[in-house]
Amino acid sequence: GAVVSQHPSRVICKSGTSVKIECRSLDFQATTMFWYRQFPKQSLMLMATSNEGSKATYEQGVEKDKFLINHASLTLSTLTVTSAHPEDSSFYICSARDGIQVTRGRNTIYFGEGSWLTVV
Amino acid sequence: AQSVTQLDSQVPVFEEAPVELRCNYSSSVSVYLFWYVQYPNQGLQLLLKYLSGSTLVKGINGFEAEFNKSQTSFHLRKPSVHISDTAEYFCAVSLPYNQGGKLIFGQGTELSVKP
Repeated sequence: GAVVSQHPSRVICKSGTSVKIECRSLDFQATTMFWYRQFPKQSLMLMATSNEGSKATYEQGVEKDKFLINHASLTLSTLTVTSAHPEDSSFYICSARDGIQVTRGRNTIYFGEGSWLTVV
Repeated sequence: AQSVTQLDSQVPVFEEAPVELRCNYSSSVSVYLFWYVQYPNQGLQLLLKYLSGSTLVKGINGFEAEFNKSQTSFHLRKPSVHISDTAEYFCAVSLPYNQGGKLIFGQGTELSVKP
C-alpha cells in the first residue's frame, strides 16, 4: 500500500534554533500534503495545506513565518519550525493525498508516522 | 463550515464484548466521512471511509460504520473487540477534493479493552 514517511521521528532542539521535518510519499505522487499538530491526549489540529509548486494555505491562528512549509516536489514537503520555543514542543503529523486516486474519484489520504519535537 | 463531534472521550469495554464509538458531523454540503485509529506514539491508520453508495461501510480489523444522513451520524462498531483494539479512534470529515478536501478531525475516543 501507499506509504508516507516522516523524518526525523524524534528530534530535540535548543530554544531559538530552527528544525526541519520532512514528509515524503514513497510510492505515489502527492499533489496535496497536509501538516497537523497534536498535543498529548488531544485531536489533530490542521496547520496548513500545501500543493506542489505553490504557497501553503495556513489555517487561522497558525503563524506562517514561524511554521514554514515547502512543497517543492510531488513527493516531498517540509515543515520548518523557526526560532523554536518550548511551547512548540508537540507531535507533528503529515498526510498526503494521492493525485492519481483523485483523478479516479477517490479521496485517498495517507498519514505519516509523525515526528516528536522537543524544544529545550 | 464542517465540524465533527465524538460523543465519548473514553470507552472502556471488556474483551470480546461489542463496542460502538459515536460520531456526529455538521455540514451544509455533502461530505466524505472517515474513521482513523492511532496507536500510542504513532501516526494514523485508516479504518474505513464513506464516499458514496452503500451506507454500511466495512473496514479493516473487523470494524464497520453506518452513514446516517438524517441523523448526521457515522458511528463505528465492532461485534467483538480484542485487547489489541486498545487505541485512540478519530472520526473525520472532508469536503470532496474539488471543494478543498482537507480533513477535519473530531476530538477522539480512547477505546480501552480490558481482559
